[in-house]
Amino acid sequence: AQSVTQPDIHITVSEGASLELRCNYSYGATPYLFWYVQSPGQGLQLLLKYFSGDTLVQGIKGFEAEFKRSQSSFNLRKPSVHWSDAAEYFCAVGSNYGGSQGNLIFGKGTKLSVKP
Amino acid sequence: DGGITQSPKYLFRKEGQNVTLSCEQNLNHDAMYWYRQDPGQGLRLIYYSQIVNDFQKGDIAEGYSVSREKKESFPLTVTSAQKNPTAFYLCASSISARREVEAFFGQGTRLTVV
Repeated sequence: AQSVTQPDIHITVSEGASLELRCNYSYGATPYLFWYVQSPGQGLQLLLKYFSGDTLVQGIKGFEAEFKRSQSSFNLRKPSVHWSDAAEYFCAVGSNYGGSQGNLIFGKGTKLSVKP
Repeated sequence: DGGITQSPKYLFRKEGQNVTLSCEQNLNHDAMYWYRQDPGQGLRLIYYSQIVNDFQKGDIAEGYSVSREKKESFPLTVTSAQKNPTAFYLCASSISARREVEAFFGQGTRLTVV
């Protein structure tokens, strides 16, 4: 079955420090991968997506993610975190299998806190 | 401005009542989705619709109902059969239900049972 695992429920980093949020997926074919961000009480906003080609993907707000097929991972990174990056981050994989999971399978999210 | 509008932002329901959450999109998207979000549980799919007049159950459809009579609208009814309806509800849409297509989200409705 397809699935997405975000191993870290909550991460705290200092402002200006680098950030890496982990995402592992399980999918039989070539995956389509997404990272979304959610501010408290808001909807989700797409940060970036990977379909094919260059395995390092650039997104909005200075984020990037690297697809590693051998590790089934799609980790999100940012070189220098700003206080406004405090939010919850969701990794997702696209699926054509449909069924009760629909076409986007989400991880449970990682909450990022930023220390001044 | 194109986007997805959910209303109301906050909703209070008495136990035993049905309540309907509105979701409208003007993006001309074929597919629409309803998710439920609880702390620590991520997003769980309630129902989705790939095209007008068609919809499929998601992982947690029990106690919910939907309709898709118009392309732009996908209302969700939380019925009295839903045992624990207090949650944050998110509506989304995408051009199609294919896996390479990202979803766009509304701002959510927070439902509280009083």
